Amino acid sequence: SAVISQKPSRDICQRGTSLTIQCQVDSQVTMMFWYRQQPGQSLTLIATANQGSEATYESGFVIDKFPISRPNLTFSTLTVSNMSPEDSSIYLCSADVSYSEQFFGPGTRLTVL
Amino acid sequence: SQQGEEDPQALSIQEGENATMNCSYKTSINNLQWYRQNSGRGLVHLILIRSNEREKHSGRLRVTLDTSKKSSSLLITASRAADTASYFCATADRSNDYKLSFGAGTTVTVRA
Repeated sequence: SAVISQKPSRDICQRGTSLTIQCQVDSQVTMMFWYRQQPGQSLTLIATANQGSEATYESGFVIDKFPISRPNLTFSTLTVSNMSPEDSSIYLCSADVSYSEQFFGPGTRLTVL
Repeated sequence: SQQGEEDPQALSIQEGENATMNCSYKTSINNLQWYRQNSGRGLVHLILIRSNEREKHSGRLRVTLDTSKKSSSLLITASRAADTASYFCATADRSNDYKLSFGAGTTVTVRA
């Protein structure tokens, strides 16, 4: 298993601003992922955070809107850029500890006004 | 993308009763995982069952997998108020680089 922490746990932001979410894993992992969960919905994968290379984005998500960093095997950040109220969601990071067995962080609840 | 569908969407039971929820999926899988989410917080990993396994237990949880029917079930026995949460199944497949595809979830309410 893995213990994953995220900061901040929640934030309220103004339209047009950006927020960077941090994700820390207590062990080295090859694969980390970022998900979005809109109100009342299931999880949607935003991107795979690759160490040493650019993130791989899913259809409908672009780097300019959701830049991701992965400087080492235990840490990643997701930035939500130029926010609008439609970006209000829970953002979750996860770590793949063993052949797709993923453990999740506590999530960041974002509200955009 | 979502490939799992869960049934029922919502479930309300009395404390002490058993809760059963089902997950169906469309493509072949390497494994299937069940997660719990309390009040819109992070997901708690409950159990992983591999495609060559038929049943797994963890405490009060029992998971079955029927690959011929492309379905899985999660049984929670002797439910408690603390089991009130949303439950999600997620599938992983080699053809999708083992990325997880989540179902829509089942919301379980346990009444005291």
